[in-house]
Amino acid sequence: DQQVKQNSPSLSVQEGRISILNCDYTNSMFDYFLWYKKYPAEGPTFLISISSIKDKNEDGRFTVFLNKSAKHLSLHIVPSQPGDSAVYFCAASGNFNKFYFGSGTKLNVKP
Amino acid sequence: DAGITQSPRHKVTETGTPVTLRCHQTENHRYMYWYRQDPGHGLRLIHYSYGVKDTDKGEVSDGYSVSRSKTEDFLLTLESATSSQTSVYFCAITAQGGTEAFFGQGTRLTVV
Repeated sequence: DQQVKQNSPSLSVQEGRISILNCDYTNSMFDYFLWYKKYPAEGPTFLISISSIKDKNEDGRFTVFLNKSAKHLSLHIVPSQPGDSAVYFCAASGNFNKFYFGSGTKLNVKP
Repeated sequence: DAGITQSPRHKVTETGTPVTLRCHQTENHRYMYWYRQDPGHGLRLIHYSYGVKDTDKGEVSDGYSVSRSKTEDFLLTLESATSSQTSVYFCAITAQGGTEAFFGQGTRLTVV
């Protein structure tokens, strides 16, 4: 059973608007959460992360929000750019340095 | 880019043959991982290593074995490849105390 879930396989957004990608997890032992970006034929690259002791982390156009009570996190991209078009994976880790990933959301930012 | 090299980058093999994928790192990181990426499933952990000769199973370990005889190398072996093991395989590394995993470029394996 997947411990990290991304229920939206795809998302289409107009350039300049906000992109919101969502992720849910089931394991309350997870204490660190990450977002990765993946282009075709490349490995995933780390984008932004958040510790369970925080509820928000911001890096430029990217902000991650964590709602521990709901076991939910989201990635906001503002403003969205065509170069942001990629597959985004949510990940979570706890003890033992194991990382569990969601199934990914394919973001398409239209010019 | 993190110093991670996966080899081969592409491989086509026949059902029932053994296959070994190699991950080599130059970062001296303690933790190494093998993931597979499949449509609708995202990245699933196959095996991981927390040190030389220290390995553990992940979510989808059946049909796979691993070995880590040196810090820099983590090998993934399919003892007898099946068509269900057609996938893209990614190696990742994390430092002791690190919070992010860094990925290699991937190996596309096709079992015919």
